Amino acid sequence: EAGVAQSPRYKIIEKRQSVAFWCNPISGHATLYWYQQILGQGPKLLIQFQNNGVVDDSQLPKDRFSAERLKGVDSTLKIQPAKLEDSAVYLCASSFSGDPKNIQYFGAGTRLSVL
Amino acid sequence: AQSVTQLGSHVSVSEGALVLLRCNYSSSVPPYLFWYVQYPNQGLQLLLKYTTGATLVKGINGFEAEFKKSETSFHLTKPSAHMSDAAEYFCAVSPSGTYKYIFGTGTRLKVLA
Repeated sequence: EAGVAQSPRYKIIEKRQSVAFWCNPISGHATLYWYQQILGQGPKLLIQFQNNGVVDDSQLPKDRFSAERLKGVDSTLKIQPAKLEDSAVYLCASSFSGDPKNIQYFGAGTRLSVL
Repeated sequence: AQSVTQLGSHVSVSEGALVLLRCNYSSSVPPYLFWYVQYPNQGLQLLLKYTTGATLVKGINGFEAEFKKSETSFHLTKPSAHMSDAAEYFCAVSPSGTYKYIFGTGTRLKVLA
């Protein structure tokens, strides 16, 4: 089966610019996650969707980050305006359901550099 | 708050030697426990998981981990390291009753020829 697809793989922007990342989960997976992985740290959950509804966005900096999953399939994560500290790898993952016993499958990520 | 501690951000072993990567969690109730591996420029891949039942869990590529409730540990082992094992390894917990994963800071494994 096809894995989790993310694009772009790399993005370089200047601070205060905006950027968007795209994720297409594994077909049939109801749950989609966006993680932020800063260099030297483990992934940190930003937002979790169940179909097209938000389950958890408690760690999403809502003043600059937004995410949507309008049709319950693919998703976009946007940062506007970007700050230097947003430099990180943004990982998308999906699972069959939100039950933590279900395996999360990760995409290769988008590496963002904010200059 | 739940936390995951991985002792040693970098571990080096010789090819053929035992691999031991340590993971401790803080929780009064046993959570679900996971080990993921991340190869350069790739996403995370599940190695193994513990949810309930047998405390010794076998995963892919010859790795295994043992859940020890008394020590709040879930250390990852492999009897004989291979060059292809060089990667970053993340321990993660999902606290009981939640849908969240909390990841450790990772351990980068280097395998020496």
